[in-house]
Amino acid sequence: GAVVSQHPSRVICKSGTSVKIECRSLDFQATTMFWYRQFPKQSLMLMATSNEGSKATYEQGVEKDKFLINHASLTLSTLTVTSAHPEDSSFYICSARDGVGTSGALYGYTFGSGTRLTVV
Amino acid sequence: KQEVTQIPAALSVPEGENLVLNCSFTDSAIYNLQWFRQDPGKGLTSLLLIQSSQREQTSGRLNASLDKSSGRSTLYIAASQPGDSATYLCAVRSGGGADGLTFGKGTHLIIQP
Repeated sequence: GAVVSQHPSRVICKSGTSVKIECRSLDFQATTMFWYRQFPKQSLMLMATSNEGSKATYEQGVEKDKFLINHASLTLSTLTVTSAHPEDSSFYICSARDGVGTSGALYGYTFGSGTRLTVV
Repeated sequence: KQEVTQIPAALSVPEGENLVLNCSFTDSAIYNLQWFRQDPGKGLTSLLLIQSSQREQTSGRLNASLDKSSGRSTLYIAASQPGDSATYLCAVRSGGGADGLTFGKGTHLIIQP
């Protein structure tokens, strides 16, 4: 089945530094990937939709200059948290639709294993 | 704006019991609904995917139903085992061009040995 690999699984960084998280589709091409954030005891919230070869689409309230998304190839999307602050500490997780074509609506989503970011 | 609610928020039952987890959504114009399992500090494992035209899906001891018109889905777990302990998430993919998923907060399930 479809596999999405996400790295790193855990990162601790100092306040003010930047952190890059990678999301790769291992056995399929993903023209679209999604980035979510999950705070403790809260649901996953969609942050942005990453489109290969074009700009990401951000959800309302998500700062695009703070959360930089690059989807350089059909198998790789990266999320960079710039000038991280303690309030950015969260669980970040990516996903991709495990199918392509005009029947995209029929496919489910495969998720990476997530990245626990702690900003100190 | 789509909202997804899961009831109960937490559930603890003895091993062997059959149980039902509930999910409701406010906008019935959906493409599909997906149930996931999340273990502590881990990513999501897809359990079942139900298309908007379907009524139910089954996989092993799991059965998910969908009543799109009333905005409800249930996940039925038969003969529960301690290994089923996890948080179960319900997510919908809405229509109207939205591509991402809207998640509920999940049901935290504990199966007592």
